[in-house]
Amino acid sequence: DAKTTQPPSMDCAEGRAANLPCNHSTISGNEYVYWYRQIHSQGPQYIIHGLKNNETNEMASLIITEDRKSSTLILPHATLRDTAVYYCIVRAFNYGQNFVFGPGTRLSVLP
Amino acid sequence: NAGVTQTPKFQVLKTGQSMTLQCAQDMNHEYMSWYRQDPGMGLRLIHYSVGAGITDQGEVPNGYNVSRSTTEDFPLRLLSAAPSQTSVYFCASSYDASGRGTQYFGPGTRLLVL
Repeated sequence: DAKTTQPPSMDCAEGRAANLPCNHSTISGNEYVYWYRQIHSQGPQYIIHGLKNNETNEMASLIITEDRKSSTLILPHATLRDTAVYYCIVRAFNYGQNFVFGPGTRLSVLP
Repeated sequence: NAGVTQTPKFQVLKTGQSMTLQCAQDMNHEYMSWYRQDPGMGLRLIHYSVGAGITDQGEVPNGYNVSRSTTEDFPLRLLSAAPSQTSVYFCASSYDASGRGTQYFGPGTRLLVL
């Protein structure tokens, strides 16, 4: 699996968009970009995933650069409840492939 | 659906004791896995299973055993607990072992080994 690089921490004002970057310069053509988050010490929660097109769901948007070497997770209107550690993971759709969680980005949403 | 459930929530063990962490899911998922999370770190994969009767090792399997006799259950056994196994343990499941499905995580078991 390709490795990812994320900033260790970020702050965001409540109500503003939170833009979380992720670098994955060694990503392979068949690897997807996934985002999960972990609030306090709860189990990680799935947010979104994509291959090369931008994706949007009710939680967030995922913007993947054309060369696929980096991506950005966007929380359009951050709330205090979005304070969490956000993990960017790259993984192929293959049996036996597993999710590799790095240290992630600790997002603090400030009032 | 209850989703992924884990028991116990907390456990204190003495060095050398054994115990089993329970994990169950009611979503008929093929894929189940166990992770451990140490302070300030991401999750590390211990063992995983792509279906009943099939298990394999992850990144940090030493000191842990698993079995998968049913689709629903995936217990993790600590054979002889060591202080280095103090951690938070998460179980996860996904309907498709290829990864197309979302991984659902349990609430975690906090283990302290003295």
